[in-house]
Amino acid sequence: KQEVTQIPAALSVPEGENLVLNCSFTDSAIYNLQWFRQDPGKGLTSLLLIQSSQREQTSGRLNASLDKSSGRSTLYIAASQPGDSATYLCAVKTGANNLFFGTGTRLTVIP
Amino acid sequence: EPEVTQTPSHQVTQMGQEVILRCVPISNHLYFYWYRQILGQKVEFLVSFYNNEISEKSEIFDDQFSVERPDGSNFTLKIRSTKLEDSAMYFCASSYGRGDAFFGQGTRLTVV
Repeated sequence: KQEVTQIPAALSVPEGENLVLNCSFTDSAIYNLQWFRQDPGKGLTSLLLIQSSQREQTSGRLNASLDKSSGRSTLYIAASQPGDSATYLCAVKTGANNLFFGTGTRLTVIP
Repeated sequence: EPEVTQTPSHQVTQMGQEVILRCVPISNHLYFYWYRQILGQKVEFLVSFYNNEISEKSEIFDDQFSVERPDGSNFTLKIRSTKLEDSAMYFCASSYGRGDAFFGQGTRLTVV
């Protein structure tokens, strides 16, 4: 069964700093990988989706990379802002059309 | 921008009662899903629905649960005889194909 792990569980950084969130998965036979943002008590907002054939995707200050063979993805956030404070979830889709989620990284950006 | 809509946002029910959680997926999407997140735990897959039938389900989705698309726009999750451990945030999601999944804001179910 696919297991998704995210490190660190929590991260606190000063505003303006660049940061990297890590995601690892046990089964490299994935269809795609998706990064989400979750605000407290709220739903999931899709940030980036990387297909299994892709190496990275970029959206604004966010860049996600995928190394399928090693079972890893990173989410890079440039020039962090207090509004980036949230929990970031990584999820992978395997042959079955459902997502396996990690436990998330809770990010706090200090003004 | 199209979005997935879930109602109610919060539901409190007594143990043993039946609840129906409602979702309106994005209109041109073909795949519909339910996930749940128990407080402090991972988001877990429950069921996927395509072409008016269940396409996949997890071991969590037992006979207590059922899904329905009654009118071509709504997608519902019914939980019969609720238990305390059913308390969780339930998320509906939809996708056009096997790509981007769009999630609703969730329904917080509290079983007392």
